[in-house]
Amino acid sequence: DTEVTQTPKHLVMGMTNKKSLKCEQHMGHRAMYWYKQKAKKPPELMFVYSYEKLSINESVPSRFSPECPNSSLLNLHLHALQPEDSALYLCASSQVGRETQYFGPGTRLLVL
Amino acid sequence: AQKVTQAQTEISVVEKEDVTLDCVYETRDTTYYLFWYKQPPSGELVFLIRRNSFDEQNEISGRYSWNFQKSTSSFNFTITASQVVDSAVYFCALSEAYKAAGNKLTFGGGTRVLVKP
Repeated sequence: DTEVTQTPKHLVMGMTNKKSLKCEQHMGHRAMYWYKQKAKKPPELMFVYSYEKLSINESVPSRFSPECPNSSLLNLHLHALQPEDSALYLCASSQVGRETQYFGPGTRLLVL
Repeated sequence: AQKVTQAQTEISVVEKEDVTLDCVYETRDTTYYLFWYKQPPSGELVFLIRRNSFDEQNEISGRYSWNFQKSTSSFNFTITASQVVDSAVYFCALSEAYKAAGNKLTFGGGTRVLVKP
């Protein structure tokens, strides 16, 4: 089973709202990732968690706050976003030290 | 710094034609991994193949084949006898090896493949 699930599939939020994106995997992977993808562009890495600890933060603005409550779950908390944050947010997981990342279907976010 | 270049932005073919996607990469690492991912209109990135830098054997998997040439830093991907369902954006990606902190994938710009019936 190489499935990564993400909820919600679509999200529309205002600039003053607080929302969260969720990601779940049951492959026993201990590395989890958040990527942001703008239209017609490749995915860009935002955060990496390794063994439930934040290991990489690609200088992401603080209005994005990641959380890894356990080895299967990864959240991305959103607050005071800007319209330019509208994008597809992809979650991925992999074994630590193993290179193949498996991606979820993504959440399409629209910030009004 | 790592870099991946996909010079072809869009390729259009008729069903059953072969499609070859080009990928050129740059890295200072001696051990690394190369990938091809497919992204259909639904948005999910689907893992297709992985190649280790220390193994230049080229393989075929079903309708997919790849040509890894370390001397020219190229990792090309071919879809044989294309089908309409192959229509998607294809990304070539490069990763460092064996990083306990997690592996950063560097993606190319993507090549949009349109297969017409």
